[in-house]
Amino acid sequence: SQQGEEDPQALSIQEGENATMNCSYKTSINNLQWYRQNSGRGLVHLILIRSNEREKHSGRLRVTLDTSKKSSSLLITASRAADTASYFCATDNSGNTPLVFGKGTRLSVIA
Amino acid sequence: NAGVTQTPKFRVLKTGQSMTLLCAQDMNHEYMYWYRQDPGMGLRLIHYSVGEGTTAKGEVPDGYNVSRLKKQNFLLGLESAAPSQTSVYFCASSYVQANEQFFGPGTRLTVL
Repeated sequence: SQQGEEDPQALSIQEGENATMNCSYKTSINNLQWYRQNSGRGLVHLILIRSNEREKHSGRLRVTLDTSKKSSSLLITASRAADTASYFCATDNSGNTPLVFGKGTRLSVIA
Repeated sequence: NAGVTQTPKFRVLKTGQSMTLLCAQDMNHEYMYWYRQDPGMGLRLIHYSVGEGTTAKGEVPDGYNVSRLKKQNFLLGLESAAPSQTSVYFCASSYVQANEQFFGPGTRLTVL
């Protein structure tokens, strides 16, 4: 069963704008990961944030984690048309079971 | 390094036929996974393996079998295909279960 729920399901923005996607989960986690999937391709890992971290950056990506609210957000700054993809969060609950993926947010960046 | 590869890329089956999907990884990863992806459903775990010779059921294992005879290969079998198994199948691997997974390009399967 899905642990993470992304919000919104779909997002359309203009090139140069920032895109924010959210992920909420139900049970305590060890870490939370974000993945990107371009149309017709496999998922690609973007960033991992551990439960004792609050914020992490990677290039134009910024991920926050609020364990008290059981939520995470992925911010893509200065978006480009190439950022058009689906974005998934995945949670690690115990380290002894596989990651659980959400249903994803479809991001469209219009040039 | 090729990473994770999947064979075949596309396949069309008739109801009742059988087939095997092959996943191979060259990263010496212990953990391997098979997912299916359907519109609006996200990724659902079918079976996974925590090492050579091991397999375990995921969220949606019915109608599928798997084998991990070699560390680098993870096979997914459909013994009697059904239209409900029409989907895109992804294989993934990871060094540690909690860490990032590396995905293959996917196999698009249609069952008529």
